[in-house]
Amino acid sequence: EVQLVESGGGLVQPGGSLTLSCAASGFSVGANSMYMTWVRQAPGRGLEWVSLIYTGGDTTYAASVKGRFTISRDNSKNTLVLQMNSLTTEDSAVYFCAKGGPGYWYFDLWGRGTLVTVSS
Amino acid sequence: QSALTQPPSASGSPGQSVTISCTGTSSDVGGYNYVSWYQQYPGKVPKLMIYEVSKRPSGVPDRFSGSKSGNTASLTVSGLQADDEADYYCSSYGGSRNLVFGGGTKLTVL
Repeated sequence: EVQLVESGGGLVQPGGSLTLSCAASGFSVGANSMYMTWVRQAPGRGLEWVSLIYTGGDTTYAASVKGRFTISRDNSKNTLVLQMNSLTTEDSAVYFCAKGGPGYWYFDLWGRGTLVTVSS
Repeated sequence: QSALTQPPSASGSPGQSVTISCTGTSSDVGGYNYVSWYQQYPGKVPKLMIYEVSKRPSGVPDRFSGSKSGNTASLTVSGLQADDEADYYCSSYGGSRNLVFGGGTKLTVL
């Protein structure tokens, strides 16, 4: 079955760090022409794009997280990773990972999300 | 990069058609044919409904259609059904390797 399963969310204090993982099955996160992304959704709010990693390993970030978050993938574990540092309350959200479609800048498979709460 | 502008709400009766707009700028919606639409039920995972402005993924009913004119993209849902009631989000490539989402539209089937 083709699916994505996120993990690693939880409660963290402001200024803290957290690492999210997204385990893929049914396809390879490192496959040719594959790109993966993280999108977040604060409680009661809309979707916000966070970061994307291209097939060649190149990465890009939303301005709101640039310099604090790092996206990567572990091909051996078929997993997408988001390392989050210097967290603020504004980073509290459900974090979804998603798989890019065959074309560009759309996502045809989403995980169920993992909740990150930044609070003292 | 500012969020794309969507109406907060839209509604229609069963069987009717409703169109949801998504307004951006020439730097995002108007500049690229990379507009997508996602359906999301409360507490659930977003589902891709339209990509590259007007293409439908396999399994999405042809009651859903997308279009674009200038800096505004649109999602039209024809023959409204009760289970179309959900939140709908547009997204667009925003240049400089960025993606931007709309604020979302809550579609109510009356």
